[in-house]
Amino acid sequence: GAGVSQSPSNKVTEKGKDVELRCDPISGHTALYWYRQSLGQGLEFLIYFQGNSAPDKSGLPSDRFSAERTGGSVSTLTIQRTQQEDSAVYLCASSLSLFRRAETQYFGPGTRLLVL
Amino acid sequence: ILNVEQSPQSLHVQEGDSTNFTCSFPSSNFYALHWYRWETAKSPEALFVMTLNGDEKKKGRISATLNTKEGYSYLYIKGSQPEDSATYLCAFIEGGSYIPTFGRGTSLIVHP
Repeated sequence: GAGVSQSPSNKVTEKGKDVELRCDPISGHTALYWYRQSLGQGLEFLIYFQGNSAPDKSGLPSDRFSAERTGGSVSTLTIQRTQQEDSAVYLCASSLSLFRRAETQYFGPGTRLLVL
Repeated sequence: ILNVEQSPQSLHVQEGDSTNFTCSFPSSNFYALHWYRWETAKSPEALFVMTLNGDEKKKGRISATLNTKEGYSYLYIKGSQPEDSATYLCAFIEGGSYIPTFGRGTSLIVHP
């Protein structure tokens, strides 16, 4: 079956512009996660959804970052007024349910964001 | 902030060598540990999920062990092949949390 897909695969933008990253999870997966990996760093957790609800936004690095999920499916991560330090690979993952915490997460291929 | 450490940071081996690397995590309040393989330009791929002290998991030439009392997991690759070249990530899940904490990974390069 189809895996997790993300778009765009690569994005180059100018400092100060807004960007929107999209994630399509595996059908039937109710949990969705966003991570980013900056150069030389580990995977940094950003936010998770169970259904359309995101109960914990504390991982978002600043108020320029927001995320939403509609219909329990597609999610978008929006970065407003991008800064050079936002350059990273943004990964999305999904799993059957947030409450099955030992469940495997299935990752998308990522969006490579470069802010000039 | 949870401390999840992986060592070594990078590793170069010759084809046919066996190798192993370590993931260290807090020894209290353990729930689960995941291992993932992340090949360049691909998605991270799940290898193992480990939940019980003493767990041993195996998938082909790759195996993993878990010691929750001392807070470490080993990943072993027997007879490394060039296609094993990837970054290997571990992710620790604490009891009561929904958020995995990832280590920085071990980058493995297998030379033909």
